[in-house]
Amino acid sequence: EVQLVESGGGLVQPGGSLRLSCAASGFTFSSYAMSWVRRQASGKGLEWVSSISGSGGSTYYADSVKGRFTISRDKSKNTLYLQMYYLRAEDTAVYYCAKEAGTGGVFHDAFDIWGQGTMVTVSS
Amino acid sequence: QSVLTQPPSVSGAPGQRVTFSCTGSSSNIGAGYAVHWYQQLPGTAPKLLIYGNSNRPSGVPDRFSGSKSGTSASLAISGLQAEDEADYYCQSYDYILSCWVFGGGTNLTVL
Repeated sequence: EVQLVESGGGLVQPGGSLRLSCAASGFTFSSYAMSWVRRQASGKGLEWVSSISGSGGSTYYADSVKGRFTISRDKSKNTLYLQMYYLRAEDTAVYYCAKEAGTGGVFHDAFDIWGQGTMVTVSS
Repeated sequence: QSVLTQPPSVSGAPGQRVTFSCTGSSSNIGAGYAVHWYQQLPGTAPKLLIYGNSNRPSGVPDRFSGSKSGTSASLAISGLQAEDEADYYCQSYDYILSCWVFGGGTNLTVL
């Protein structure tokens, strides 16, 4: 079964850091671009956060997180990561990892598989 | 505000047909980039509903359909059911921003 399972969310103070993980199974992890998408608790909609190519050689970030977040992947562990630094209140959200449907690279295909999400709360 | 514009809410009675609009611009939908649609039921992760403007993944009922014209796209649900109550999001790629963009989402209420 194709599956993504996120972990690592929690409560962190403003200015703090957190690392999210997304364990992938049921598919050839290195063949697919992966992304992080968040939904803020304030009722806003989905927001794309970051994407990484299958090889890990290309990374992309939303302006709102550029310079603060780092996406990476470990082929040997079939795991996607999101390292978050200098967290702000507006980063409070449920974070989802998602897999692109095809093997054409980043920004080529829809997200066909999503994880269940992990909650990140930034508050003092 | 979102790069793709969606109405905040839509409602319909069981059995009716409802449509969701998604309006973009010449740098995303109008540039020919595909539109994808997701359904997010309360408390769950988003689920791919329509990909490549009008294609349904296996398992998605044919009550759901998508279309695209110019700088806009639409999602239609026919034979509305109570379990269709959810938030619906459109997604495309914007070549000026060089990133994925989502609509703000439309909340569907089944009366």
